[in-house]
Amino acid sequence: AQTVTQSQPEMSVQEAETVTLSCTYDTSENNYYLFWYKQPPSRQMILVIRQEAYKQQNATENRFSVNFQKAAKSFSLKISDSQLGDTAMYFCASLTGANSKLTFGKGITLSVRP
Amino acid sequence: DTGVSQDPRHKITKRGQNVTFRCDPISEHNRLYWYRQTLGQGPEFLTYFQNEAQLEKSRLLSDRFSAERPKGSFSTLEIQRTEQGDSAMYLCASSLGQWGQPQHFGDGTRLSIL
Repeated sequence: AQTVTQSQPEMSVQEAETVTLSCTYDTSENNYYLFWYKQPPSRQMILVIRQEAYKQQNATENRFSVNFQKAAKSFSLKISDSQLGDTAMYFCASLTGANSKLTFGKGITLSVRP
Repeated sequence: DTGVSQDPRHKITKRGQNVTFRCDPISEHNRLYWYRQTLGQGPEFLTYFQNEAQLEKSRLLSDRFSAERPKGSFSTLEIQRTEQGDSAMYLCASSLGQWGQPQHFGDGTRLSIL
């Protein structure tokens, strides 16, 4: 069974600063994908970033980047230059197996302070 | 690209009634997923379709739940004899067929059981 653990229930950051959200996962698969999704108060889940397990290079998308440590099964999200619109719940998720179902962590509530 | 559409946004019903939700995926996406999300938790996988074929069902999907995707386009999720524990947000997502493609989520249908 796949598990995804997000141990920090909430975090707060000052606008324009950098914040890192932690995630660990467990899988016996050799090949898999990892994702970070954002869920603002309007509730629609939005893809933030995707990482392929066989790629050593960390994925980046504008202000968002990941630190993927495959041996440690760690997948943290760094948000640079935080903006008020970044306030949301952030979910880490893994995708394994042919059916491509996502396994989500419990999420972390991020608040960006003006 | 009009995104994933779900209807209704909110459903309130009495315990014991039947409810049906609809999901319209992104038009070129042949994979469609249903997830359930309870307050403060990450989404949990319920079932998924490749075109019109339902390829996997979670054990969370009791015999009171049924999902269809008759023509490989829109999908419906029906819950019969609703119970208090069915109160949750029901999320639909779709993706292209290649493994690892990101899933795009709809706004969800919030079910409240009185």
